[in-house]
Amino acid sequence: QVTLKESGPALVKPTQTLTLTCTFSGFSLSTSAMRVSWIRQPPGKALEWLARIDWDDDKFYSSSLKTRLTISKDTSKNQVVLTMTNMDPVDTATYYCARISVSGYSFDYWGQGTLVTVSS
Amino acid sequence: DIQMTQSPSSVSASVGDRVTISCRASQGISSWLAWYQQKPGKAPKLLIYAASSLQSGVPSRFSGSGSGTDFTLTISSLQPEDFATYYCQQASSFPYTFGQGTKLEIK
Repeated sequence: QVTLKESGPALVKPTQTLTLTCTFSGFSLSTSAMRVSWIRQPPGKALEWLARIDWDDDKFYSSSLKTRLTISKDTSKNQVVLTMTNMDPVDTATYYCARISVSGYSFDYWGQGTLVTVSS
Repeated sequence: DIQMTQSPSSVSASVGDRVTISCRASQGISSWLAWYQQKPGKAPKLLIYAASSLQSGVPSRFSGSGSGTDFTLTISSLQPEDFATYYCQQASSFPYTFGQGTKLEIK
């Protein structure tokens, strides 16, 4: 059974760095073709893809946010970590991690999401 | 970046109706398209991948079609649990992008 769960601070101040952790089970990121992404959704708005990390440590980022994002993995802990620097109130959103399916580069399993509010 | 445009933005329908939602890509994406359903306060759920493949466990009243730039999600006979927001997503090239969503409401 595949599960993912996001964790991190619910509130961050403007200019601070956000660190989110995705802890998953039911698959291994050391297995060929396994990939995990981060996606966010501001309140009442659409989904926005942020980053992806692959089993072979390839990394891909949103073009508009790539200077602020870093994605990494700890295979031994079954975790993927996303850091976002210089947080702004417009970054207030629910942040999801999701596994990418082997068959079609779609997101087949999602975490429950974690709401991050940026406010002083 | 590839822009994904959904239409309509919202639609009202009744239980039993047939509903179609469209998604257009700003450039060709072959069949690298997925559809998701999202209910309030919940994570999105994968319905369709590779434009027309039904995800395991998803009812057969959901179907997807299209390739290139124009895609369609069809719900053949709406059930009460289908009222939600639907998103398309392209996986042809980075960055992955989503449509703005279509809210399906009860008439």
